[in-house]
Amino acid sequence: SQTIHQWPATLVQPVGSPLSLECTVEGTSNPNLYWYRQAAGRGLQLLFYSVGIGQISSEVPQNLSASRPQDRQFILSSKKLLLSDSGFYLCAWSGTGGNNSPLHFGNGTRLTVT
Amino acid sequence: GEDVEQSLFLSVREGDSSVINCTYTDSSSTYLYWYKQEPGAGLQLLTYIFSNMDMKQDQRLTVLLNKKDKHLSLRIADTQTGDSAIYFCAEKGGTGFQKLVFGTGTRLLVSP
Repeated sequence: SQTIHQWPATLVQPVGSPLSLECTVEGTSNPNLYWYRQAAGRGLQLLFYSVGIGQISSEVPQNLSASRPQDRQFILSSKKLLLSDSGFYLCAWSGTGGNNSPLHFGNGTRLTVT
Repeated sequence: GEDVEQSLFLSVREGDSSVINCTYTDSSSTYLYWYKQEPGAGLQLLTYIFSNMDMKQDQRLTVLLNKKDKHLSLRIADTQTGDSAIYFCAEKGGTGFQKLVFGTGTRLLVSP
């Protein structure tokens, strides 16, 4: 069965510090991968998605970047965090076969920028 | 662009039925989904419905789809305190690679 791992679960970082959140998927090949941000426990904003290694699409201009160095690894990064980067970050994957491709989410990372 | 709307809150008593509503604008939606998010956790896929269906039942969950009005609902029978969570609807439009568009979420509070 497929599983998705996301870490760390919580993170407190000072303004201006770098960020690296990692997400890995097991039990499937060539998944579509996604990073979402959820502010104040509500609403999901799609930040990045990837359909393959090295292929990243950005949905909104921001202080963050994403990379996919391996088929089942998706990384969210920042060189210098802003206060506004605080939030709950969710990684997700979906299959690529057929039209019914629901997203399957990790448990999320709570980021607090101080 | 696509838009998905939900009411923000719903409060029910344990044992009652809950109905969470969702409206969407994309007439080319193919699949519609319901997700549940418990506090501090990721989103859990509850159920989905294909756009050519009117209803789908899965144990205590019933999904109704009115494609003409672009209205989706999730009914939870015999609601329990463990059902308290935020519920998101999401729609997937067209063919090929399409991102899911999520609603704003409905916070369901079940009181004993």
